Amino acid sequence: AQKVTQAQTEISVVEKEDVTLDCVYETRDTTYYLFWYKQPPSGELVFLIRRNSFDEQNEISGRYSWNFQKSTSSFNFTITASQVVDSAVYFCALSGMNSGANSKLTFGKGITLSVRP
Amino acid sequence: DAGVTQSPTHLIKTRGQHVTLRCSPISGHKSVSWYQQVLGQGPQFIFQYYEKEERGRGNFPDRFSARQFPNYSSELNVNALLLGDSALYLCASSLARTTYYGYTFGSGTRLTVV
Repeated sequence: AQKVTQAQTEISVVEKEDVTLDCVYETRDTTYYLFWYKQPPSGELVFLIRRNSFDEQNEISGRYSWNFQKSTSSFNFTITASQVVDSAVYFCALSGMNSGANSKLTFGKGITLSVRP
Repeated sequence: DAGVTQSPTHLIKTRGQHVTLRCSPISGHKSVSWYQQVLGQGPQFIFQYYEKEERGRGNFPDRFSARQFPNYSSELNVNALLLGDSALYLCASSLARTTYYGYTFGSGTRLTVV
């Protein structure tokens, strides 16, 4: 069974602060994908990033960066210089690489990020 | 290009009734998945359809059913509605039946059961 744990429930920061969102996962699959999605009040899930389980290279994309550590089953996400528009619920998700039910996304409970001006 | 479209956006139903939710995937996408998101929780997988066949099913009762049409649009049906079925129902489309190409989500249908 797959499981995603987002221990943080709510985070509040002041604009321009850096913020890191934590994610820990469990899976029996040897190959898998990890995702971060953003859900603004409109409800739509917006894709942010995806990593493959066999690629632990951490990257930076604009103000977003992520730290994937397979040894600790963690996939943390950092927003640098946060902006008010970053306020949303952020979900970490996991899926297998095969088809069918294995390809389903397993989500954590989400972290509500509030960025104050 | 149009994204994933879902209808209706909001719906209020009474316990015991049935409901049909609709989803149109991105043009060219052959896979449609349905998720239920209860307030304060992450989305939970309900179904995946690819090429008009059910390819995966989550842990939901038989009151939940779905189908995919030749144009790849999809319907989610829920019978004998319970108060606990109140949720945001999200549809996601993808090019393939694996996660390789990722999923694009619609804005969802907010179902309230009273």
